[in-house]
Amino acid sequence: GENVEQHPSTLSVQEGDSAVIKCTYSDSASNYFPWYKQELGKRPQLIIDIRSNVGEKKDQRIAVTLNKTAKHFSLHITETQPEDSAVYFCAANLISSGSARQLTFGSGTQLTVLP
Amino acid sequence: NAGVMQNPRHLVRRRGQEARLRCSPMKGHSHVYWYRQLPEEGLKFMVYLQKENIIDESGMPKERFSAEFPKEGPSILRIQQVVRGDSAAYFCASSQSWTGAEKLFFGSGTQLSVL
Repeated sequence: GENVEQHPSTLSVQEGDSAVIKCTYSDSASNYFPWYKQELGKRPQLIIDIRSNVGEKKDQRIAVTLNKTAKHFSLHITETQPEDSAVYFCAANLISSGSARQLTFGSGTQLTVLP
Repeated sequence: NAGVMQNPRHLVRRRGQEARLRCSPMKGHSHVYWYRQLPEEGLKFMVYLQKENIIDESGMPKERFSAEFPKEGPSILRIQQVVRGDSAAYFCASSQSWTGAEKLFFGSGTQLSVL
């Protein structure tokens, strides 16, 4: 079936360094790709999203890039801070088995920013 | 705060009992989604509802699970005759409209523990 693959599953960086998380998707007709941050025991929070009509979007220290041809998109966090430590999930609006588009999530990346 | 409200936050049930999870969408949102999250895994789509209608239930187990979103009141996810494998965090999300490419806003989740 349609799915989203996310790598790496864990990522440790030194404070101030950059972090990159990558995702691939299977449905070439997908057109919406959000990223969520989830702290331990908390709700997933939308941090940035991108639609297929653009290749890159930036919001302060966070940026997302999209390569539609290769069907992959990436999250870039620059100047990482300890409060960036969390699990990050990518998602794509894939066709579900119910023939409607639903957000399908990657398996998550545990980011740890070391002080 | 008019965010997505879920209750209870924690629910403990013994095998064979029923679990009822509630979700009130954000103010102005009429589209509700339920996701399940197992420990250290991503969010798995279960069902998408609008008021009084189930639109896509392709992620729902065929037996014991049901969902509703009545004209008045919260959306309910009901699990009958719970088993240990039902233990998970259940998240509800809502959106303002539905084009298949909408921002989803999540509630804080219900952690279901089956003894």
